[in-house]
Amino acid sequence: SQQGEEDPQALSIQEGENATMNCSYKTSINNLQWYRQNSGRGLVHLILIRSNEREKHSGRLRVTLDTSKKSSSLLITASRAADTASYFCATDEIAAGNKLTFGGGTRVLVKP
Amino acid sequence: NAGVTQTPKFRVLKTGQSMTLLCAQDMNHEYMYWYRQDPGMGLRLIHYSVGEGTTAKGEVPDGYNVSRLKKQNFLLGLESAAPSQTSVYFCASSYSKRVGGDTQYFGPGTRLTVL
Repeated sequence: SQQGEEDPQALSIQEGENATMNCSYKTSINNLQWYRQNSGRGLVHLILIRSNEREKHSGRLRVTLDTSKKSSSLLITASRAADTASYFCATDEIAAGNKLTFGGGTRVLVKP
Repeated sequence: NAGVTQTPKFRVLKTGQSMTLLCAQDMNHEYMYWYRQDPGMGLRLIHYSVGEGTTAKGEVPDGYNVSRLKKQNFLLGLESAAPSQTSVYFCASSYSKRVGGDTQYFGPGTRLTVL
């Protein structure tokens, strides 16, 4: 079973709006990461938040982590058409060793 | 730096045929991974390696074998391809956790169809 489950599965917004997606997980983690995948391409790392952090920013990205609820959110502010992609959360589980477990992803469409 | 490269980019096999996918990285990464991604889904780990000469099973290892004879290369083999192995295969690499390696760098993928 997948550790990270993302919600919603798909999101359609207008350029300039904010996009928010959530990730829930089941076991204790070292960190949680968000990746982006453009259609037909490999994944690109966006941001990492460690288990002792609650919020992190990188440019137009804001990630929160609530370890008590085992959930994270990714906010993209002032979205652009170029933000159209699939976004995946990945958890570095404490018990899993040297690997990440990926969620099913959120497909984001930003309409110009 | 080329980063992580994968060959081939596309391949069509018939059921029962064998093939090897090659992943190469030029970042001196200790860890390497093979994933598969099916339509509309996330990535599932097939096998991984934490160093030259070592490999370990991931979530979906059946039907696949791997080898890491050189640090920069990680090979994924399908001995007898089945239609259920039709997928997009991604290779990734990272530094070891001993040196703070947490994020993975991905190749562009290999699209495999098994008829």
